[in-house]
Amino acid sequence: ETGVTQSPTHLIKTRGQQVTLRCSSQSGHNTVSWYQQALGQGPQFIFQYYREEENGRGNFPPRFSGLQFPNYSSELNVNALELDDSALYLCASSLRGTRATNTEAFFGQGTRLTVV
Amino acid sequence: GDSVTQMEGPVTLSEEAFLTINCTYTATGYPSLFWYVQYPGEGLQLLLKATKADDKGSNKGFEATYRKETTSFHLEKGSVQVSDSAVYFCALSYNTGNQFYFGTGTSLTVIP
Repeated sequence: ETGVTQSPTHLIKTRGQQVTLRCSSQSGHNTVSWYQQALGQGPQFIFQYYREEENGRGNFPPRFSGLQFPNYSSELNVNALELDDSALYLCASSLRGTRATNTEAFFGQGTRLTVV
Repeated sequence: GDSVTQMEGPVTLSEEAFLTINCTYTATGYPSLFWYVQYPGEGLQLLLKATKADDKGSNKGFEATYRKETTSFHLEKGSVQVSDSAVYFCALSYNTGNQFYFGTGTSLTVIP
């Protein structure tokens, strides 16, 4: 079991609504990445946060946004929810060192979002 | 661009059978390669990794060798157990960022 915790575990929202998902990184980790895993698919990279700034983004529209807090926890916000946003959202934390390389990433158990 | 292609499942094997799950990749640089495992209702767990060509990653009886000439990283295990039933994901990443490119996953069911 990793030290990465996500909340809530399950969520049901209506199309057009907004949602916020939360992730607490493992102790000592300073980098958080978010992934979307649609049913039967592999996780797709959404974005990564390091030192409270976005540090890389996948092919997701601007209505997917995020934050990282001074304690390195993170939020994923999705506006104007669409049915296709239904998925398992995973966060992963790691430690970026002085040489800009990361230690192993540890994944949380995910938040299952259903949009109806 | 970078991508990973995995053997499609589902795969069903009898206990103690030999397992191979194929994985090939396309990369613009020199990535590290990974196998992650996802048990029902859980997040991803790192199974093994290899950081350069010809490296062999191994863990819990699973092995995979980073083959640059064939751009492959096939997962093997000599004798599977019921507890190995899970979904297996092949992935690549460059060390500067831990941004993974995952395959679509292969579901494995091992029957007694």
